[in-house]
Amino acid sequence: EAQVTQNPRYLITVTGKKLTVTCSQNMNHEYMSWYRQDPGLGLRQIYYSMNVEVTDKGDVPEGYKVSRKEKRNFPLILESPSPNQTSLYFCASSYYRSDTQYFGPGTRLTVL
Amino acid sequence: QKEVEQDPGPLSVPEGAIVSLNCTYSNSAFQYFMWYRQYSRKGPELLMYTYSSGNKEDGRFTAQVDKSSKYISLFIRDSQPSDSATYLCAMKSGNTPLVFGKGTRLSVIA
Repeated sequence: EAQVTQNPRYLITVTGKKLTVTCSQNMNHEYMSWYRQDPGLGLRQIYYSMNVEVTDKGDVPEGYKVSRKEKRNFPLILESPSPNQTSLYFCASSYYRSDTQYFGPGTRLTVL
Repeated sequence: QKEVEQDPGPLSVPEGAIVSLNCTYSNSAFQYFMWYRQYSRKGPELLMYTYSSGNKEDGRFTAQVDKSSKYISLFIRDSQPSDSATYLCAMKSGNTPLVFGKGTRLSVIA
């Protein structure tokens, strides 16, 4: 089944404790991206990757890192999480940047 | 002015009603228009995809694009409780990233 998977689905952590949210797709997509979704603000892009080893900032990159060492995986790293990073996070992928995107199921992160 | 404006709702309708969801936009370069449906605790899923102006129909769903007015609509006929979700419009031009509306929350009451 073609899909985008994210783990964990739910995470509660404390300020400053490094965490990684994994994202994997099995559709051989070149383009992958991370979004956060907050009430009243909609979906905002954090980082995106056009291909392996090619990443770039989206609209709200501060406090986040990403890496793209393999085509299928695109982890999101929070080196020192803060409460304002409490949000619902979605990974998405598509063949190219301009194609329609397929979204993962989301990761709900709470930073205390 | 935001690039894409979408009324957040919530919109509550009785089962069987015709629902109209709308977005306006400011960038005249947008050519590709999408509607995503997002159920609670799920990721957005693509519902409709249209290019340029015109209508596209898929079952109970019709997407309309009016580029001259910079206005897009999604119509749902014979709405069902299973249509209760948040609907997000999204649009782009050429090789640019998607720009999303903030979503409209719809509840269809049985």
